[in-house]
Amino acid sequence: GQQVMQIPQYQHVQEGEDFTTYCNSSTTLSNIQWYKQRPGGHPVFLIQLVKSGEVKKQKRLTFQFGEAKKNSSLHITATQTTDVGTYFCAVLRDSNYQLIWGAGTKLIIKP
Amino acid sequence: DSGVTQTPKHLITATGQRVTLRCSPRSGDLSVYWYQQSLDQGLQFLIHYYNGEERAKGNILERFSAQQFPDLHSELNLSSLELGDSALYFCASSVDEGTHQPQHFGDGTRLSIL
Repeated sequence: GQQVMQIPQYQHVQEGEDFTTYCNSSTTLSNIQWYKQRPGGHPVFLIQLVKSGEVKKQKRLTFQFGEAKKNSSLHITATQTTDVGTYFCAVLRDSNYQLIWGAGTKLIIKP
Repeated sequence: DSGVTQTPKHLITATGQRVTLRCSPRSGDLSVYWYQQSLDQGLQFLIHYYNGEERAKGNILERFSAQQFPDLHSELNLSSLELGDSALYFCASSVDEGTHQPQHFGDGTRLSIL
């Protein structure tokens, strides 16, 4: 069945360093959504990408959708402690109304 | 505040018991989704209801069932509970049945089986 692979599982960074998480699919995607879950919190919708090659920015966050619509990335520039959490991608399964979720990438700021 | 309300926030019970988790979606949202998240794990999709009808099932055990009522609130029933059922259960809602719409999550119900 349709799956989405998200890497890495964890990323440890010093505050001020950059962070990137990637989602990859073997099939062409109609869209991709990104969510953030703070420790002890619930997932919160960040953005949705729909168009091939799309790039969207939210302050220090940059979201990209690949030209072939099979991969996507989320890049955070100059991480801050408020960025700590797990970032999930989610893609649409066309056969039913179900989102397929990536395993998540946990952003950890080194003390 | 996402507008999605889940009750109770915490639930502690014993193996073999049955519990009901409740979810009220955001005003105007017709779709409700249930997810299970074990400690430090990803989100496991359980089931999706749209306007009272079941739309999709994920890896939901036969011991689990759900329904969505005419007022659009939903309940997830977990029976014959096992230790492995301990997890955080999230409800999410969206405007319609297509998942081009973002999902809005409640704060979750933390279920602990002793």
